Amino acid sequence: DGGITQSPKYLFRKEGQNVTLSCEQNLNHDAMYWYRQDPGQGLRLIYYSQIVNDFQKGDIAEGYSVSREKKESFPLTVTSAQKNPTAFYLCASRPGTGRVGETQYFGPGTRLLVL
Amino acid sequence: KQEVTQIPAALSVPEGENLVLNCSFTDSAIYNLQWFRQDPGKGLTSLLLIQSSQREQTSGRLNASLDKSSGRSTLYIAASQPGDSATYLCALTSGTYKYIFGTGTRLKVLA
Repeated sequence: DGGITQSPKYLFRKEGQNVTLSCEQNLNHDAMYWYRQDPGQGLRLIYYSQIVNDFQKGDIAEGYSVSREKKESFPLTVTSAQKNPTAFYLCASRPGTGRVGETQYFGPGTRLLVL
Repeated sequence: KQEVTQIPAALSVPEGENLVLNCSFTDSAIYNLQWFRQDPGKGLTSLLLIQSSQREQTSGRLNASLDKSSGRSTLYIAASQPGDSATYLCALTSGTYKYIFGTGTRLKVLA
């Protein structure tokens, strides 16, 4: 059953703690993305990766870090430098064929809360 | 800088009504415009994608149109049902495969 999985569904962070959100896809997609969604707002791009071992900052990368060591995995670490991490985090992937009209496919999301 | 606006932010309609959701953008140099549905606490589901060379796309009771010259897209939902209740997001790409999202319209269809 192909798709994108994110874990955990809920994550609690203490002050000063780093936490890592998991994103795995078995769609054989080249490109992967991380978005943040705050209440009443659209999605904002944190980081994206178009190929293994390469990634670029999005619009709100400060306080976050990523790695792309495997094609199917793109974990996001929320560091202690991110002062307002409470949000809904969405991972997405895209085939990367370069065809016009290529869409992104989204995972179910992880909700991060600060204790 | 491209900005995407969705009005209204929230909408409540009785079941069976036809409705239109609006999406406006400031830069007409776009590749694709896409409409997504998001249920509470869930990820996004793609509804319709319009390429820049197209004017509209249809799927079942949904019809999306694109007018680049005026910087507008509309999502038309015919004969609305309670199951249509969700947040609807528009997103556009302009060459880099990065989406720029609108803020969404939260729709409630009353039985």
